[in-house]
Amino acid sequence: GDSVTQTEGLVTLTEGLPVMLNCTYQTIYSNPFLFWYVQHLNESPRLLLKSFTDNKRTEHQGFHATLHKSSSSFHLQKSSAQLSDSALYYCALSDGTQVVGQLTFGRGTRLQVYA
Amino acid sequence: NAGVIQTPRHKVTGKGQEATLWCEPISGHSAVFWYRQTIVQGLEFLTYFRNQAPIDDSGMPKERFSAQMPNQSHSTLKIQSTQPQDSAVYLCASSHWGGDTQYFGPGTRLLVL
Repeated sequence: GDSVTQTEGLVTLTEGLPVMLNCTYQTIYSNPFLFWYVQHLNESPRLLLKSFTDNKRTEHQGFHATLHKSSSSFHLQKSSAQLSDSALYYCALSDGTQVVGQLTFGRGTRLQVYA
Repeated sequence: NAGVIQTPRHKVTGKGQEATLWCEPISGHSAVFWYRQTIVQGLEFLTYFRNQAPIDDSGMPKERFSAQMPNQSHSTLKIQSTQPQDSAVYLCASSHWGGDTQYFGPGTRLLVL
C-alpha cells in the first residue's frame, strides 16, 4: 500500500533560521496528490499546501514545497522560521485514483521554534 | 459556516463499554472521512463515505468498529467493547465531491480506562 515517510520526531530551530521538513512517499500510482497539513496545539489539522503537478513550486503562508516525482519527494521549506510556526506537521498522500480519496499520513514532524 | 462538528469532545469509558462518536460534516460536503490519531501511530485512516455510501473501510479494526452515515448531515463511529488501546483522538473530516481538500473537525478524545 501507499506510505509516507517524514523527518522523524522533533525539529528545533532558532527563530529566523530556515525550515526544511523532509517528506518522501511510495505509491504505485503515477498521479498522486501530496499535502502538508499543520496542527497547532489543541487544534485539528488544517491544510497548509497541496500539489499534484510535478516540478511545480506551491506556496502558502510563507511555506513552499515542490513535488518531485522522480525522487518521490515533497519537502516543506520556509526561508525564516517564526515562533508561530511551532506545530505538528504532517505530510500526506492521496493516490489520485479517486476524485476524492482517503489520505495516507506520515508519522508527523514536530517543529519547535525558539526565540 | 460552522465547520465540521464532532460530539462529544471528550469521552471516558470503562473497558468493555460501548462508545458512539458523532460527526456533522460541513453543509454541502458529500465525502466524510474518519481518522484516528495517537502519539505512537500518528494519523491513521479508518473509513470513508461518499454521498452516504461506504466506500472504503480498510482501516477499520473489523471486530469492534463500525461506522454509518444514515443521512447527509451526520455520521457515527461506534466502538463496541472498548479496550484501552482504543484510546485516541478520533477525527472526522469532510470534503466536497471533486475537492481535494479535507476539512477536519476538532476531534473526540476517547479515553478507555
